[in-house]
Amino acid sequence: NAGVTQTPKFRVLKTGQSMTLLCAQDMNHEYMYWYRQDPGMGLRLIHYSVGEGTTAKGEVPDGYNVSRLKKQNFLLGLESAAPSQTSVYFCASSYFGRSSTDTQYFGPGTRLTVL
Amino acid sequence: GENVEQHPSTLSVQEGDSAVIKCTYSDSASNYFPWYKQELGKGPQLIIDIRSNVGEKKDQRIAVTLNKTAKHFSLHITETQPEDSAVYFCAALGGSYIPTFGRGTSLIVHP
Repeated sequence: NAGVTQTPKFRVLKTGQSMTLLCAQDMNHEYMYWYRQDPGMGLRLIHYSVGEGTTAKGEVPDGYNVSRLKKQNFLLGLESAAPSQTSVYFCASSYFGRSSTDTQYFGPGTRLTVL
Repeated sequence: GENVEQHPSTLSVQEGDSAVIKCTYSDSASNYFPWYKQELGKGPQLIIDIRSNVGEKKDQRIAVTLNKTAKHFSLHITETQPEDSAVYFCAALGGSYIPTFGRGTSLIVHP
């Protein structure tokens, strides 16, 4: 049971380049989330999904797109990277709604630098 | 929407002292309040949580208290150890299952 995994762990992009961050979970969770973490700003929700084939915008969705084609995977895309997207990105998944296991499980993070 | 305020942003204590981190929330419909610990270079990990039908919960050196009337909840760590040094996040969650996080508290425990 690997929990939540993220690929890649580190990446450096040039302004305007595109990339996709992959999140995978093996816990059969319905809910998946993408957050960005910046110094002093805590965890800000970018997009989330409440089930396979669904996505929804979070607090800071501009410049990002997501897809949830399979229940276990949640992809975060940057179509045209900007320096303001330099951050650490965390994926999480949860069982929310099943009272005995209401918690989020986080991946190890992806550190992205946009030059 | 929900708003969660967390204080202090930085907390420095001596080993063996107690540490208290406080959070307030705005949405009276919130009913689940988890606390996460984030060690350097890692993702946040749940350390304790509390539901709105309980006033206090304890797990060894860690405890969480909830005051629904005042809409605030606190994390208490007793007999702090250097390995408790980390960033701690509180969160509030209601029926939407989308947590709102505080901005985090950096706890430093000096040996």
